[in-house]
Amino acid sequence: GAVVSQHPSWVICKSGTSVKIECRSLDFQATTMFWYRQFPKQSLMLMATSNEGSKATYEQGVEKDKFLINHASLTLSTLTVTSAHPEDSSFYICSARTGSPWREQYFGPGTRLTVT
Amino acid sequence: SQQGEEDPQALSIQEGENATMNCSYKTSINNLQWYRQNSGRGLVHLILIRSNEREKHSGRLRVTLDTSKKSSSLLITASRAADTASYFCATDSGTYKYIFGTGTRLKVLA
Repeated sequence: GAVVSQHPSWVICKSGTSVKIECRSLDFQATTMFWYRQFPKQSLMLMATSNEGSKATYEQGVEKDKFLINHASLTLSTLTVTSAHPEDSSFYICSARTGSPWREQYFGPGTRLTVT
Repeated sequence: SQQGEEDPQALSIQEGENATMNCSYKTSINNLQWYRQNSGRGLVHLILIRSNEREKHSGRLRVTLDTSKKSSSLLITASRAADTASYFCATDSGTYKYIFGTGTRLKVLA
């Protein structure tokens, strides 16, 4: 099946710094990538939808200036958490969609961000 | 919130028993998927069921979909300790965005 990778798998950063998380589709071209956030023992909340070559579409309540998304190519999307604060600590998961009409998505393994 | 609801929130069963978890959603859908997540890990895709399908099987998994009730169920038969995980349903309403349910935490006791 299709493989999506994320890097790094975990990161610890200091409050006020920025962190970049990469999401790559390894063996297929992803027309659309999605970024989710998950708090402990909770479900995934969609943050934004990213289409290659265009601006990301953010869900209501997600600060686009804080969570910068760049979909530079058909295999790479990045999420940058700017001026991170402890409340940004979370598990961030990306997914990528192929051209399948049934819209199946493939998920990355996730990145655990801890802001100290 | 558009998030779907799953019940039960937590389920604890003995190895060999069947586990059933339910998912209800709010809007019309194109398809619904079930995912599994081990603690602190990524999601594993289990089954995709389309809106025109009513039942689907994959190994020990059986998924049903009732679009009139806006609900789906996931049945795991002959459960194993390795099935211990959180299970989520996710719906696509035609916008290419998946909305996840609240999840069911399953614990299978050996």
